[in-house]
Amino acid sequence: NAGVMQNPRHLVRRRGQEARLRCSPMKGHSHVYWYRQLPEEGLKFMVYLQKENIIDESGMPKERFSAEFPKEGPSILRIQQVVRGDSAAYFCASSPGGGQFGIQYFGAGTRLSVL
Amino acid sequence: RKEVEQDPGPFNVPEGATVAFNCTYSNSASQSFFWYRQDCRKEPKLLMSVYSSGNEDGRFTAQLNRASQYISLLIRDSKLSDSATYLCVVNEANTGKLIFGQGTTLQVKP
Repeated sequence: NAGVMQNPRHLVRRRGQEARLRCSPMKGHSHVYWYRQLPEEGLKFMVYLQKENIIDESGMPKERFSAEFPKEGPSILRIQQVVRGDSAAYFCASSPGGGQFGIQYFGAGTRLSVL
Repeated sequence: RKEVEQDPGPFNVPEGATVAFNCTYSNSASQSFFWYRQDCRKEPKLLMSVYSSGNEDGRFTAQLNRASQYISLLIRDSKLSDSATYLCVVNEANTGKLIFGQGTTLQVKP
């Protein structure tokens, strides 16, 4: 039973390019969460999605960031026109729902470097 | 004031030592509480949930004091493999949003 799969593991972009980060939840999980960890900082919640719905995007920057979790396929976190401050580790997590929100299973993360 | 505060450490202890980590949270409406572990900037992994009655899992004991908004983790008989960053995590009002402390780094030395 595969865990949460994120790809790519490492992503290098130049300023102004787009970054697309993908996350496939654990089998049977319908809830996906994205977190960002800046260098030397703790994890910060970004967005919570269920299939085809954004449930809570209170942690998403107002501009350039978007997320989706389509009916088919992985969840995508998209960052347009990246800047150096976007360099961070982006972790995706999933849970089966049913009220156990605190027990989330994390992927290995995507490390984004913006040159 | 940070939503979840932890002493960042590092805590350097010899094998076999007992070490305690503390954490405070600011939102009294918080409903569930956890300790996660993170190794060398890898993904966080759930260590244990924390209940008001206190709970134990082997060498690990977690405690919650809702009145003081205080959470603790006690590790007995430390092993080299316990070296990691321990993250205090709060879930508010059963939403999907986990709020992480900055983490406390533990280094267990032989």
